[in-house]
Amino acid sequence: KAGVTQTPRYLIKTRGQQVTLSCSPISGHRSVSWYQQTPGQGLQFLFEYFSETQRNKGNFPGRFSGRQFSNSRSEMNVSTLELGDSALYLCASSLDPAGANEQFFGPGTRLTVL
Amino acid sequence: AQSVTQLDSQVPVFEEAPVELRCNYSSSVSVYLFWYVQYPNQGLQLLLKYLSGSTLVESINGFEAEFNKSQTSFHLRKPSVHISDTAEYFCAVGLTGGGNKLTFGTGTQLKVEL
Repeated sequence: KAGVTQTPRYLIKTRGQQVTLSCSPISGHRSVSWYQQTPGQGLQFLFEYFSETQRNKGNFPGRFSGRQFSNSRSEMNVSTLELGDSALYLCASSLDPAGANEQFFGPGTRLTVL
Repeated sequence: AQSVTQLDSQVPVFEEAPVELRCNYSSSVSVYLFWYVQYPNQGLQLLLKYLSGSTLVESINGFEAEFNKSQTSFHLRKPSVHISDTAEYFCAVGLTGGGNKLTFGTGTQLKVEL
């Protein structure tokens, strides 16, 4: 069974640009969550999607957005990039949003903003 | 709001020695508790979880953690570590009924030396 796939793995952008990151969950998983990992702030929850609906949202500005498609694949978008957005963005998939199910994490997309 | 505290940012230990990684949480409602491990340049992998029932939970690779409600702790232990256990370990809490949103601690870097 293939794991969680994230593309691209590495990305370099400049301030002011926008970026879209993609996450393909494990087959059969319908819940996708996104996290930002930085050395200073650690792992922070961005949002969770289930059945194409955002179910949970973390404390991030509106520049961070996401969506989920009917095949459960998810994308997150960051507009007007700032230097502080440099981070490892992790996607996690789970069967459903029950919370007790195991979440499987992808390898992440490392975003560098110059 | 819930929070997780991992007091030790780094724990050096010799191979075959025992280790304990500490985790304390704060929450006003029932929680699920998790330990994740992250190897360099990889995503997170679930090590073990506490949902309910027996307070002692074990992983397949020799780690165990005990849920202590009165002390709001979920410390991770291993009686004898191996070089391959060198990694960063994250404690996380999820709220029952709160979907898949996890609040993570800042992580503990376990370094196993010969």
